[in-house]
Amino acid sequence: KAGVTQTPRYLIKTRGQQVTLSCSPISGHRSVSWYQQTPGQGLQFLFEYFSETQRNKGNFPGRFSGRQFSNSRSEMNVSTLELGDSALYLCASSLTGRQNIQYFGAGTRLSVL
Amino acid sequence: DQQVKQNSPSLSVQEGRISILNCDYTNSMFDYFLWYKKYPAEGPTFLISISSIKDKNEDGRFTVFLNKSAKHLSLHIVPSQPGDSAVYFCAASGGTDSWGKFQFGAGTQVVVTP
Repeated sequence: KAGVTQTPRYLIKTRGQQVTLSCSPISGHRSVSWYQQTPGQGLQFLFEYFSETQRNKGNFPGRFSGRQFSNSRSEMNVSTLELGDSALYLCASSLTGRQNIQYFGAGTRLSVL
Repeated sequence: DQQVKQNSPSLSVQEGRISILNCDYTNSMFDYFLWYKKYPAEGPTFLISISSIKDKNEDGRFTVFLNKSAKHLSLHIVPSQPGDSAVYFCAASGGTDSWGKFQFGAGTQVVVTP
């Protein structure tokens, strides 16, 4: 069974640009969560999608958004990039999103210059 | 507000000995816990889980203990191997806003020496 796939692995953008990250969950998993990992803040929850609906959201500004498609694939968008958005963005999938193991992808390393 | 804490940023252990990693949490609504291992430039790899209805779970060399009254869990790795050198995270979930959301500790860097 294929694991969680995130693309691209690396991205370099400049301030003010926008970026879209993609995540394909494990087959059969309907819950997709996104996290931001930085050296200072550790792993921080961004949001979770289930059946194309956002069910939960962390404390991030509205510049961070996402969506989920009918095949459970998910995208995350960050608009008007800031230097502080430089981070490793991780996607995790699970069966239902509650009391389930979350399996992570390898992440997308975003550098904002 | 850091609800999950791993107070030891690093741990050095000899190959073949036991590694004990600790994790404390403050939210009494947490009822499901995970441990992950992470290598640089990779995503976290799931190791073992435990729900609040249990106080112990074993899987091969890994055992997780949960003390609900103390809001404390620990991961034991026996015996430790050089390939276990990595950063270990504990994660907790539960409560009303827990859909798809885990709170993570800051991690413990484990180094296994020959």
